[in-house]
Amino acid sequence: ETGVTQTPRHLVMGMTNKKSLKCEQHLGHNAMYWYKQSAKKPLELMFVYNFKEQTENNSVPSRFSPECPNSSHLFLHLHTLQPEDSALYLCASSQRRASTDTQYFGPGTRLTVL
Amino acid sequence: AQSVTQPDIHITVSEGASLELRCNYSYGATPYLFWYVQSPGQGLQLLLKYFSGDTLVQGIKGFEAEFKRSQSSFNLRKPSVHWSDAAEYFCAVGPRPPGAGSYQLTFGKGTKLSVIP
Repeated sequence: ETGVTQTPRHLVMGMTNKKSLKCEQHLGHNAMYWYKQSAKKPLELMFVYNFKEQTENNSVPSRFSPECPNSSHLFLHLHTLQPEDSALYLCASSQRRASTDTQYFGPGTRLTVL
Repeated sequence: AQSVTQPDIHITVSEGASLELRCNYSYGATPYLFWYVQSPGQGLQLLLKYFSGDTLVQGIKGFEAEFKRSQSSFNLRKPSVHWSDAAEYFCAVGPRPPGAGSYQLTFGKGTKLSVIP
């Protein structure tokens, strides 16, 4: 496997469910990111991890809980979501946490909250 | 606050025609500039980026972009569009170090490109 992979690709969940999104990068990068992509809105940065340490939480509700056990894996744990949380969730990685370093994106998980 | 404007939500061109996608930004200083493409069901892929130097930047897949400081613009162009270029295109800006959060990109809302065979 190469690049950035995300599983599952599609997820439908009820508001009371608990689920997790998984991201894995095979690029040897040290920074990983979660983005939310909603229709007709710009891409929103949610969380940033650098060398497994969370360095940014852009006012994301606590029903989203990230986890980064190592530099290659990133999870987004979901709990009691709202219908407005339905979106495409993209994971990305870069060599360093710097805007000069290209971010490589995974294909995303399409989340639908019923 | 920084912002990126892509004024065209949807553009349709014929295959073989030229293409220009517009991007304007509002920023305190000249930022780093990027264009990404997102094909259906895929993540974003970097087409090209501008940091400094020559204001005409060449990217992958035959795309180029020109930085115009006076207009705060970074328009994407391609001389002859192929059907496989149908996708959504995103312009983004990032701060120059040592700006605070010097890695966070601000994205535009995107321009969807349709190509007529």
